[in-house]
Amino acid sequence: AQRVTQPEKLLSVFKGAPVELKCNYSYSGSPELFWYVQYSRQRLQLLLRHISRESIKGFTADLNKGETSFHLKKPFAQEEDSAMYYCALGGSQGNLIFGKGTKLSVKP
Amino acid sequence: DGGITQSPKYLFRKEGQNVTLSCEQNLNHDAMYWYRQDPGQGLRLIYYSQIVNDFQKGDIAEGYSVSREKKESFPLTVTSAQKNPTAFYLCASRSPDRGPYEQYFGPGTRLTVT
Repeated sequence: AQRVTQPEKLLSVFKGAPVELKCNYSYSGSPELFWYVQYSRQRLQLLLRHISRESIKGFTADLNKGETSFHLKKPFAQEEDSAMYYCALGGSQGNLIFGKGTKLSVKP
Repeated sequence: DGGITQSPKYLFRKEGQNVTLSCEQNLNHDAMYWYRQDPGQGLRLIYYSQIVNDFQKGDIAEGYSVSREKKESFPLTVTSAQKNPTAFYLCASRSPDRGPYEQYFGPGTRLTVT
């Protein structure tokens, strides 16, 4: 079965603290994983993809095939990082399979 | 922003009525998608279309219908058979140049059925 699990509905941290949003997946084969973000009153947009191994807005995510995880990390959270974050898996039919999302709240 | 438009932003309907949500894109993308977003449920795929005149059911297609007569347009009809139609609906499209999974999303339509 193809599935994405985000165990935390809400994650609340203080500004400057490290943040880690968890994502685990189930997929038989070589997965392609993504993080999408939805800021308040903005469209859902791609944040980063695992194959690029990039850092966007200070966020990174490493694919761990042994643990079937793709956690999103940032060493120092900013208030503008507050948003809804979705982990997504590329499905076998060319579609995206989304997790249920984690709401990140960064307090001043 | 721009490129994918959804209208209207808010839509209200009485139970038992069919309603059609609009999705238009001028990005020349072949593939288009409809998702439903509910609190605590994430995004769930309703229908998708890889090319004009062809579309496939997603995970929760029951009670919905689509058409793809033009590349630019992928309207979604929420029929009276959909048992719980009140939700936020997102349309997306995909560029063939950016890999199979990078999708561009519209602003969404919030449908309320009473």
